[in-house]
Amino acid sequence: EAGVVQSPRYKIIEKKQPVAFWCNPISGHNTLYWYRQNLGQGPELLIRYENEEAVDDSQLPKDRFSAERLKGVDSTLKIQPAELGDSAVYLCASSLGGRAGNEQFFGPGTRLTVL
Amino acid sequence: KQEVTQIPAALSVPEGENLVLNCSFTDSAIYNLQWFRQDPGKGLTSLLLIQSSQREQTSGRLNASLDKSSGRSTLYIAASQPGDSATYLCAVSGSEKLVFGKGTKLTVNP
Repeated sequence: EAGVVQSPRYKIIEKKQPVAFWCNPISGHNTLYWYRQNLGQGPELLIRYENEEAVDDSQLPKDRFSAERLKGVDSTLKIQPAELGDSAVYLCASSLGGRAGNEQFFGPGTRLTVL
Repeated sequence: KQEVTQIPAALSVPEGENLVLNCSFTDSAIYNLQWFRQDPGKGLTSLLLIQSSQREQTSGRLNASLDKSSGRSTLYIAASQPGDSATYLCAVSGSEKLVFGKGTKLTVNP
């Protein structure tokens, strides 16, 4: 069974440019998460989806970040415009959902470098 | 607000040694606790998940314990190998959100 798929794996852009990350969760997983991991830190949640609904986006910087999960499967996270401080690893995770505390499975992440 | 602390931040041991990684959390109202492994430049691999009603979980050479009342968990690695070198992250789930510690970077020397 395929795990969580993310692309691209690496992205280097100049500040003020837009960037987008794509995630395909494990088949059948209704809950999808986007986390950001800064160097030397643990991941922090940006947004959580239950099917196509964003149920927790309190930590998403909405002035420049946006996300969507059309049809409740794949998801895209966008940054526009990117800033130097956005350099980090962006991780996507999924779980079965339906109840709190389900095990989360992570993708390989996208490492973003903003120059 | 839940806070998770992992001690030590880094650990270097000779091959074959048994070792313990520590994790503490401030709010005992959790659903579960997960231990992850992260290799450099890679994503997170789930090692063990302990539900709040459980005291421990075992997988191969790994054993994780949970003392919810005291807000502590330990990850025990038996007979460490160079391939165990990685960063180990502890995360607690109080709702649908995982709160992570900063991790312990483990180096096992041949």
